[in-house]
Amino acid sequence: GQNIDQPTEMTATEGAIVQINCTYQTSGFNGLFWYQQHAGEAPTFLSYNVLDGLEEKGRFSSFLSRSKGYSYLLLKELQMKDSASYLCAVRSGTDYKLSFGAGTTVTVRA
Amino acid sequence: EPEVTQTPSHQVTQMGQEVILRCVPISNHLYFYWYRQILGQKVEFLVSFYNNEISEKSEIFDDQFSVERPDGSNFTLKIRSTKLEDSAMYFCASFLTGGEMSGANVLTFGAGSRLTVL
Repeated sequence: GQNIDQPTEMTATEGAIVQINCTYQTSGFNGLFWYQQHAGEAPTFLSYNVLDGLEEKGRFSSFLSRSKGYSYLLLKELQMKDSASYLCAVRSGTDYKLSFGAGTTVTVRA
Repeated sequence: EPEVTQTPSHQVTQMGQEVILRCVPISNHLYFYWYRQILGQKVEFLVSFYNNEISEKSEIFDDQFSVERPDGSNFTLKIRSTKLEDSAMYFCASFLTGGEMSGANVLTFGAGSRLTVL
């Protein structure tokens, strides 16, 4: 099975940068995904890594090290609307299912 | 933009009753999934479905659960005899294709069906 760990909560100030770390142990790794989830809503896709390195997508960047089983999501120029839960998910298996971490709740303060 | 559609958005039922949650995946997608999220907890995998059969199911997906793709568009989750602990948000998701083309294909979620068992 998968073991995916990420911090429970983080707080940051509007305009600042926050880095959310994720470590994982899995077999048949086929990609690491980051999703954003607002309370009561569905997860929405943010970023994806399958090879080592940094993927940049506007204010959001994600990094992967497969040898270390480690990823992070970097949120820059934080806005109040970025207050949400951020889910680290690992894709594996022949059915390409995602296994999710428990999520990191980010609170952005003015 | 194509989306996954789920109905109902909210269902309240009595313990022991049968419930069917419905999903219309994105039309050209080939892999279908059900996930659930109990309030305040993580998103948990229930079952994956490909080529008209279950490809994997979790320990949660016991004999009271079943899935069906009765026609070319709908994908349903049936809970035969609901229990209090089945109260959760149920998400349907679909995925385009696998193999060498899986690349950056993204698992797309529906808005969810909130099930409340009394």
